[in-house]
Amino acid sequence: EPEVTQTPSHQVTQMGQEVILRCVPISNHLYFYWYRQILGQKVEFLVSFYNNEISEKSEIFDDQFSVERPDGSNFTLKIRSTKLEDSAMYFCASSASLADTQYFGPGTRLTVL
Amino acid sequence: GENVGLHLPTLSVQEGDNSIINCAYSNSASDYFIWYKQESGKGPQFIIDIRSNMDKRQGQRVTVLLNKTVKHLSLQIAATQPGDSAVYFCAETGENAGNMLTFGGGTRLMVKP
Repeated sequence: EPEVTQTPSHQVTQMGQEVILRCVPISNHLYFYWYRQILGQKVEFLVSFYNNEISEKSEIFDDQFSVERPDGSNFTLKIRSTKLEDSAMYFCASSASLADTQYFGPGTRLTVL
Repeated sequence: GENVGLHLPTLSVQEGDNSIINCAYSNSASDYFIWYKQESGKGPQFIIDIRSNMDKRQGQRVTVLLNKTVKHLSLQIAATQPGDSAVYFCAETGENAGNMLTFGGGTRLMVKP
């Protein structure tokens, strides 16, 4: 069964450093998403991406965040200058169309020291 | 896991019993609802979904009920097994939300062998 994959599984970084989280969505899916889950809190939407541009973004997704689909398979989330409060699990998801189910990857645990 | 510290309601059931997990959603404009299961250290896993033109949908051992009048969603798991132990989240979205999922707070299901 096709699945969303994410790397790395755990990323530790120093405050102020840039990080790139990587995702490989399900191959025939066209819509891609990033969510995050801070320890002890709900899963929160960050951004959706379609046709090489951002479709929707939340208030969390400020200028420090960016997304990119650098090739035909990868989808990345970049945080330019990490803050302590960026520590969270980051989940990538994909769906075949706008109205279809979103399937989630296993997540990347980001720890900012 | 990601939900340590979250004050989750907990449902404890005996193996073989039926489980009912409830969720109150917030947006009356939402028209698509999904139940996800999250095991410790993993991403949300799709279980079952329902659209607003239905009030009941059945899967394998799971049933979702939707009451739009009171904005209530429930997940019924038949013959609960130890492998069903996890945190269960409902999520809602709609055409006006660009498929951005809004997650509920989650319920922890513990199955006693």
